[in-house]
Amino acid sequence: DQQVKQNSPSLSVQEGRISILNCDYTNSMFDYFLWYKKYPAEGPTFLISISSIKDKNEDGRFTVFLNKSAKHLSLHIVPSQPGDSAVYFCAASEGATNKLIFGTGTLLAVQP
Amino acid sequence: EPEVTQTPSHQVTQMGQEVILRCVPISNHLYFYWYRQILGQKVEFLVSFYNNEISEKSEIFDDQFSVERPDGSNFTLKIRSTKLEDSAMYFCASRDPRGTIYEQYFGPGTRLTVT
Repeated sequence: DQQVKQNSPSLSVQEGRISILNCDYTNSMFDYFLWYKKYPAEGPTFLISISSIKDKNEDGRFTVFLNKSAKHLSLHIVPSQPGDSAVYFCAASEGATNKLIFGTGTLLAVQP
Repeated sequence: EPEVTQTPSHQVTQMGQEVILRCVPISNHLYFYWYRQILGQKVEFLVSFYNNEISEKSEIFDDQFSVERPDGSNFTLKIRSTKLEDSAMYFCASRDPRGTIYEQYFGPGTRLTVT
């Protein structure tokens, strides 16, 4: 039951260019979406989030876009830096306890 | 900056043994969670805890699992009789209950290896 999907297991981008990571979801009841970054042997680190009532949220180099009709969100990183190389997880918040439903992750490699 | 801490970083145990994984959430947070990630798979929700009781649990969280907040700072996950398939990274997370803040902050994880 994959309610949150990240269809690209990996992405390679040149330093300075834009990285676009995509995420699709199936449950229209999700009310909040989050992106996490994860390095090996570390816990997920919160990056940026967006409420379902918005279509864009920006924080420095990171922007998240939400298209509710398509049940699709994306994370844009501009400009990409080698330190951005990590696994990026999309997550949706669900229910009264706001448990997180995670996607499978996308491994981003930013080439110098 | 406040952070979630977890101990131990790595726990090796034999099948059938009990293990306790410990977490210290961020001090002013009131919602606490456990997640796990089996190698190569997605991060999965196990349980949420609020006001000294379980508020939600997943199908994974069966009778072999329990959680406790024994004092004002620690939050523990106990597995009574470990199985090989319990081998995973276990992450603790906490959340600030104020307003509409939904972000959960994760600890570095405990790698549990069951042999």
